[in-house]
Amino acid sequence: EPEVTQTPSHQVTQMGQEVILRCVPISNHLYFYWYRQILGQKVEFLVSFYNNEISEKSEIFDDQFSVERPDGSNFTLKIRSTKLEDSAMYFCASSVSQINEKLFFGSGTQLSVL
Amino acid sequence: DQQVKQNSPSLSVQEGRISILNCDYTNSMFDYFLWYKKYPAEGPTFLISISSIKDKNEDGRFTVFLNKSAKHLSLHIVPSQPGDSAVYFCAASDKGNTPLVFGKGTRLSVIA
Repeated sequence: EPEVTQTPSHQVTQMGQEVILRCVPISNHLYFYWYRQILGQKVEFLVSFYNNEISEKSEIFDDQFSVERPDGSNFTLKIRSTKLEDSAMYFCASSVSQINEKLFFGSGTQLSVL
Repeated sequence: DQQVKQNSPSLSVQEGRISILNCDYTNSMFDYFLWYKKYPAEGPTFLISISSIKDKNEDGRFTVFLNKSAKHLSLHIVPSQPGDSAVYFCAASDKGNTPLVFGKGTRLSVIA
């Protein structure tokens, strides 16, 4: 069964450093998402991406965050200057369509900011 | 602002018995609801969904019930199996126009 793949599975970084989290969505999917889960909290929406542009973003997704689809397969989340509170599990997801469509999630990247 | 609430952080059930996981929502615009299951070190995987035009959807051992007037849905697992032990997330959306909103999850432990 096709799956969403995320790399790395764990990322440790120093506060203020830039990190790039990588995702390969399912090949025939058109909508891409980043969610995150801080330990013990709910899974929170960050951003959705369609047709090479952001379609929606949450309040969390401030100027420190950016997303990119640099080629036909990868979908990346960049955090420019990490803060301690960015420590979380980051999930990439994709879907075929937007309307009432289930999302397929990757296994996540655990980001630890020290 | 918790639009989707799962008030039980954990639930323990004997193998073979019924597991009932509950979810409440506050946004009356939500019309599509999903349950995801998550094992450790894995991403959430889709389990079952229900549209607001229905009040019940069944898939094998899993049944989701929707009570729109109470803004409540529940997931029933019968019979429960040890492999069902996982964190279960309730999620909701508004006609696909808004991203899925998740609850905090309920950790289900099925004891053999």
